[in-house]
Amino acid sequence: DQQVKQNSPSLSVQEGRISILNCDYTNSMFDYFLWYKKYPAEGPTFLISISSIKDKNEDGRFTVFLNKSAKHLSLHIVPSQPGDSAVYFCAASAQGTYKYIFGTGTRLKVLA
Amino acid sequence: DSGVTQTPKHLITATGQRVTLRCSPRSGDLSVYWYQQSLDQGLQFLIQYYNGEERAKGNILERFSAQQFPDLHSELNLSSLELGDSALYFCASSVTPGGYNEQFFGPGTRLTVL
Repeated sequence: DQQVKQNSPSLSVQEGRISILNCDYTNSMFDYFLWYKKYPAEGPTFLISISSIKDKNEDGRFTVFLNKSAKHLSLHIVPSQPGDSAVYFCAASAQGTYKYIFGTGTRLKVLA
Repeated sequence: DSGVTQTPKHLITATGQRVTLRCSPRSGDLSVYWYQQSLDQGLQFLIQYYNGEERAKGNILERFSAQQFPDLHSELNLSSLELGDSALYFCASSVTPGGYNEQFFGPGTRLTVL
């Protein structure tokens, strides 16, 4: 049972435009969410997080939106840059579980 | 550079064999996590240790085991290897064991079982 789903395996966006990556979850106990970026031959690196008490968190060009009723979060990258081309994973955690459940990732390609 | 080191980078072995993957967490981090990433799959959580004690278990096979040593480095032991165990194995570390903090990932060990 995949509790965290990223239904789009890949996404292509023109440089300068907005990239929107989506993530759905099924476990209503999840209360903390993170996005990680992964380049080839490297480990994932933390990008941005959001707690369930918020519905938006912003860090520079990256904004994460959380819709608890829909069990959906999204990562917006504005403006997209070629260096943003990577695989993006969303992850979710529930208090007291000491672990993150990761989605399968979305490969973003930003075209120059 | 996340500060998390993993050795070896690559490992090629045969079915039925046993291997040990090693991870050194960031300085000051007490928690270590192990993940498996198979082809086109997400990161599957295997196991977590905090200050030498097992804290959480995920989809870890009985053929796999791990431990965290007093100096906080961790080892993941994979035995009776099968072709399907070929994957990238990541180690991550964090300061605390809770789920409200980011994890810092190492570069991974690519295991190929022939």
